[in-house]
Amino acid sequence: DGGITQSPKYLFRKEGQNVTLSCEQNLNHDAMYWYRQDPGQGLRLIYYSQIVNDFQKGDIAEGYSVSREKKESFPLTVTSAQKNPTAFYLCASSQGMGQPQHFGDGTRLSIL
Amino acid sequence: GENVEQHPSTLSVQEGDSAVIKCTYSDSASNYFPWYKQELGKGPQLIIDIRSNVGEKKDQRIAVTLNKTAKHFSLHITETQPEDSAVYFCAAHGNEKLTFGTGTRLTIIP
Repeated sequence: DGGITQSPKYLFRKEGQNVTLSCEQNLNHDAMYWYRQDPGQGLRLIYYSQIVNDFQKGDIAEGYSVSREKKESFPLTVTSAQKNPTAFYLCASSQGMGQPQHFGDGTRLSIL
Repeated sequence: GENVEQHPSTLSVQEGDSAVIKCTYSDSASNYFPWYKQELGKGPQLIIDIRSNVGEKKDQRIAVTLNKTAKHFSLHITETQPEDSAVYFCAAHGNEKLTFGTGTRLTIIP
């Protein structure tokens, strides 16, 4: 069954700690994306990658980092520099830019 | 950059009636307009999309219309059912990324 898997579903971060959110896709898509969703707001783009070993900053990249070493994987690290990390994080993929994006079921990050 | 506005933020309709959600966009270069449905605790699911060379697209009870001149597009759901209750997002693709509206919470009243 093809799709996007995000893990964990819930994550807690202590002050000063980096945490990494996992995103894996088996759709053979070239492009992958990370979005942040806050209550009452739309999705905001953090980072995106059009191809392996390449990625670009989105609208709110500060305090986040990514890597794209494999086509199927696009992990997101929320660093201690991100002062307001509590949010719902969504990963998506598409065949290419401007193509339909398919989403995972998200990771909810909270601060302890 | 692109700016997408979505209205209304909440919408309640009687089961069986129609629902309409409207979005406007600012970048005339945007050429792809998807609509997503998001249920509680889940990721958004693509329900229908339209490209700028088409004025209308329909899939069973769901339709989308696009007016490029006015830079607005709308989602129409007919014969609404309880399972249509969710948050709906519009988006516009331009300049290599999707920009999302702020969402509409649709409630179907049995």
